[in-house]
Formats: sequence, structure tokens, C-alpha cells
Amino acid sequence: ETGVTQSPTHLIKTRGQQVTLRCSSQSGHNTVSWYQQALGQGPQFIFQYYREEENGRGNFPPRFSGLQFPNYSSELNVNALELDDSALYLCASSLGQGQAGELFFGEGSRLTVL
Amino acid sequence: LAKTTQPISMDSYEGQEVNITCSHNNIATNDYITWYQQFPSQGPRFIIQGYKTKVTNEVASLFIPADRKSSTLSLPRVSLSDTAVYYCLVGSGTHNAGKSTFGDGTTLTVKP
Repeated sequence: ETGVTQSPTHLIKTRGQQVTLRCSSQSGHNTVSWYQQALGQGPQFIFQYYREEENGRGNFPPRFSGLQFPNYSSELNVNALELDDSALYLCASSLGQGQAGELFFGEGSRLTVL
Repeated sequence: LAKTTQPISMDSYEGQEVNITCSHNNIATNDYITWYQQFPSQGPRFIIQGYKTKVTNEVASLFIPADRKSSTLSLPRVSLSDTAVYYCLVGSGTHNAGKSTFGDGTTLTVKP
């Protein structure tokens, strides 16, 4: 148990719909990173939030957006869903800048787009 | 952020020692090397982290040569439950490590 919780655990959407995924970070952690993991591949970095501001973004289109709240929980929003968005979405929380240490991952949200 | 290269897969038998090597030729001075384990449909889990030489904890050892361009994760006496995907990640602190893409990792299969 890492203390990072994600919801929902599974969901099914159809093409063109929108989805919101949620992540509660571990207590005391002010940074949340989001990843997309397609079947058989490693996690791909989507973006990171640090103290409510976006702090880096991977190679994902603008229809992938996010938020971080004052309590450091976070949301990932995906608009205009495509079939290729089907994946496991992971969030990881961590302490602030410049510190060594581990990323604490949640169990993920499995999204299926039909 | 440093790119990493690992073998795609490895096989072992219960009770053997397993060594998985990761190449990171463009590692920066401030970068740490961190290894994660992932089981199917779960998030990656931290195994060990190091900066140079050797680090050991209760589950693994990490060997880093002086030039730091590679690292080797050593799992002593593996069991069936060690069957998983193993990733190495390079970054300066959790901020930059968190912005890394993991690559495809090494799938370790432990056989009875």
C-alpha cells in the first residue's frame, strides 16, 4: 500500500466521450505525475503537477489536461476519446523538487474506449 | 532526461541470483538511478535507488560503476513471485525522475 489512491479502477467509454480520472496523493507529497501505460509497454509520461502548477509535459495532445488541487490531489481529463486512449492510467506522488527518493504509484485506472 | 536501455526479457529458476543491467550513457551529474518492479495491472513499486558504487537493501543490490553509464540490479535467490517487469529510471530527484518515460523494461520470468 503506497497511500496513493486512484478512481475509478475500471471504466468503459465510447469514442468522442470525455473522461475524468482522479488521484489522491500520499500525505505530505506535493507533486503528482500522470502516466499512460498501453498493454505490453512501459508507462509513458503525460504531465506533472507541482503545487497546483503544471511542471512538465510529455508528448501528449492538448485534449489531455489536468488539475492539481490545494490538498495536492489531482485529476486527469481526456476529451474526444479515441480508441488508442485505451490504457492503464497511473499517477505517482512524490516530494518536492531536487529530492532523491521514490515515486509512489497508485494501482491505476483501466480505461477502455469502444 | 537520460534515456535507458535494458534487455527485453530474462529467464531464471527459483533460488538463482538474477542480474539485470541498464545502460544510461547520457546520465547527468545530479541524476540518481532508481529501479521499479511492476506486476500486471498494478502500479510500479520502488525497489532500490543509488547514485554511485553499491547500495543494498532487504530485497536487492544495485551496482553502479565509476563512470555511472550503466547499473546492475541484483536479485538474490529469486522466487516465482519475482516474476514481473523491472524498470530502471534515471533523473535528478523525484521531480525529474517523475517526468521520465520508463521504456519497456525487462520482463523477468522465474521458473520452478
